[in-house]
Amino acid sequence: SQTIHQWPATLVQPVGSPLSLECTVEGTSNPNLYWYRQAAGRGLQLLFYSVGIGQISSEVPQNLSASRPQDRQFILSSKKLLLSDSGFYLCAWRRTSGIQQFFGPGTRLTVL
Amino acid sequence: AQKVTQAQTEISVVEKEDVTLDCVYETRDTTYYLFWYKQPPSGELVFLIRRNSFDEQNEISGRYSWNFQKSTSSFNFTITASQVVDSAVYFCALSEASGGSYIPTFGRGTSLIVHP
Repeated sequence: SQTIHQWPATLVQPVGSPLSLECTVEGTSNPNLYWYRQAAGRGLQLLFYSVGIGQISSEVPQNLSASRPQDRQFILSSKKLLLSDSGFYLCAWRRTSGIQQFFGPGTRLTVL
Repeated sequence: AQKVTQAQTEISVVEKEDVTLDCVYETRDTTYYLFWYKQPPSGELVFLIRRNSFDEQNEISGRYSWNFQKSTSSFNFTITASQVVDSAVYFCALSEASGGSYIPTFGRGTSLIVHP
């Protein structure tokens, strides 16, 4: 069976510090991977998605970047965090031949 | 462009009541997919169901049932005999088949609070 991991689970960072959130998927090959942010108010905002190693599509221009160094690893980064980067970050995956997405446990980021 | 509307921001019920969560969608595609996800307080979105646009058959899974009506562009979710563990935010989502990316558009969610 497939599982998706995210870490850390929670993170408190000062403004201006760097960020690295990691997401890994087990039990599948060549998944499509996604990063979402959920700010207060519950809406899900798609940030990045990837259909393969090194292939990143950005949905919203902002202070964040994503990378996919390995087939089942997806990293969300920032060089300098802003207060507005606070939120709940969710990673999701989809089988190449599938339709629905499956989500990880999320990382709650607080920028102070 | 695709759009999903969940007009109910928050619903509060007492345990054992039946509750229906509404979802209305817009799409120009003839082939599309509808989903419901549950987000408990822990935060993880849990996939509940997917319906294909070419299959209007309603579905029941235990206390959960889904009513898909293309004529009204709705995909409503009913919980029968609600329980405290049903308390969560529920998201409806839509993916269009054209383009092949299947990236879903999510509604803003309905927060369901079930009181004991």
